[in-house]
Amino acid sequence: EIVLTQSPGTLSLSPGERATLSCRASRSVSSSYLAWYQQKPGQALRLLIYGASSRATGLPDRFSGSGSGTDFTLTVSRLEPEDFAVYYCQHYGSSPPMYTFGQGTKLEIK
Amino acid sequence: QVRLVESGGGVVQPGKSLRLSCAASGFTFSSYAMHWVRQAPGKGLEWVAVILYDGSNKYYADSVKGRFTISRDNSKSTLYLQMNSLRAEDTAVYYCAVSLGATLAYIDCWGQGTLVTVSS
Repeated sequence: EIVLTQSPGTLSLSPGERATLSCRASRSVSSSYLAWYQQKPGQALRLLIYGASSRATGLPDRFSGSGSGTDFTLTVSRLEPEDFAVYYCQHYGSSPPMYTFGQGTKLEIK
Repeated sequence: QVRLVESGGGVVQPGKSLRLSCAASGFTFSSYAMHWVRQAPGKGLEWVAVILYDGSNKYYADSVKGRFTISRDNSKSTLYLQMNSLRAEDTAVYYCAVSLGATLAYIDCWGQGTLVTVSS
């Protein structure tokens, strides 16, 4: 079973700064099966990135995903006030289907 | 647009049962796989189960296998989760979600969730 470890647990930054969130898998995984989500209080979870680097429909281009093998990154190039939230990475295992989430990174306003 | 509305949550005693429902709209429900994902208070996300578009295949997390059953009624655009033998550790917000892409690899849209509290 794949374990996803996200770091840091909490990231304190100011609007306009660059955020780099890490997701490390316990063994090499296919990039096709790595996704990122955003969770804000009182709102539905939102798919941000799928296939490690493809942006979901309507996602601002300040969000980008990258990585391969065991190390994946979500980058927000210039933080807007609405970007402060909790972010989760997720891996899909196909045989049988199962989904593993990282423990989350909280991006908070400094 | 896609709308997923969960219901059926509440307080239930350990060992008892509860059934959650999720009413879907804004997409062709019968064409897509549906999920339940849960989040314990103050914790991260845990995938619970997925059911394929026609209900032919269902898959579960080990933590709920044998106790929970996912099902769907495509004529009503409704997803269900029958939860039996509930435990304190099942206390969580339960989210209904859908995979709209050609692959099951990611989850496109989520509901707002319904809270289940297992307590005596």
